[in-house]
Amino acid sequence: DAGVIQSPRHEVTEMGQEVTLRCKPISGHNSLFWYRQTMMRGLELLIYFNNNVPIDDSGMPEDRFSAKMPNASFSTLKIQPSEPRDSAVYFCASSLAGDISLHFGNGTRLTVT
Amino acid sequence: QQPVQSPQAVILREGEDAVINCSSSKALYSVHWYRQKHGEAPVFLMILLKGGEQKGHEKISASFNEKKQQSSLYLTASQLSYSGTYFCAPLGGKKLTFGTGTRLTIIP
Repeated sequence: DAGVIQSPRHEVTEMGQEVTLRCKPISGHNSLFWYRQTMMRGLELLIYFNNNVPIDDSGMPEDRFSAKMPNASFSTLKIQPSEPRDSAVYFCASSLAGDISLHFGNGTRLTVT
Repeated sequence: QQPVQSPQAVILREGEDAVINCSSSKALYSVHWYRQKHGEAPVFLMILLKGGEQKGHEKISASFNEKKQQSSLYLTASQLSYSGTYFCAPLGGKKLTFGTGTRLTIIP
């Protein structure tokens, strides 16, 4: 079975540019989570969706960040404009209602110069 | 608030046992544990439920302390493949808040 698929694996961009990260959850999973990982702050939950609806976006750092889930098989996390402090590994994870484990994608390593 | 894990890092020889602690300012009702190898994504290991029930890994167990503000993960007879960073993640609402992490290195 295919796991959670994220793209791109690596993204290098210049400050001020728009960045879009993509995620395809495991088929049939109805919850999707976006996490950010840095050395300083560890793994932080940015936002999560349940049945394509954003439930909690309290972890989104600021208005430059936005996330969408137009259907059950696709989600995006957009940063506009990007800043060097956004450099991190961004993970998408999905889970099935009633299941208790998160299945993580391989992450997108974002570098903003 | 991010749970605090201890120790931050530990090095063990293969076959030794390890204990990793996870402390929270609030009572813990269920705690997930994940392991992340360098350059990879976190992988689910197990969950400790509020009644003490556990679901997940055969050779890894966990417990709550008396006040349920700390959970401990026990790895017995560690193997080289156990190396990685371990995270606790207490469940609050429907969200997991990951702890500060414990880097475990197993050497031959």
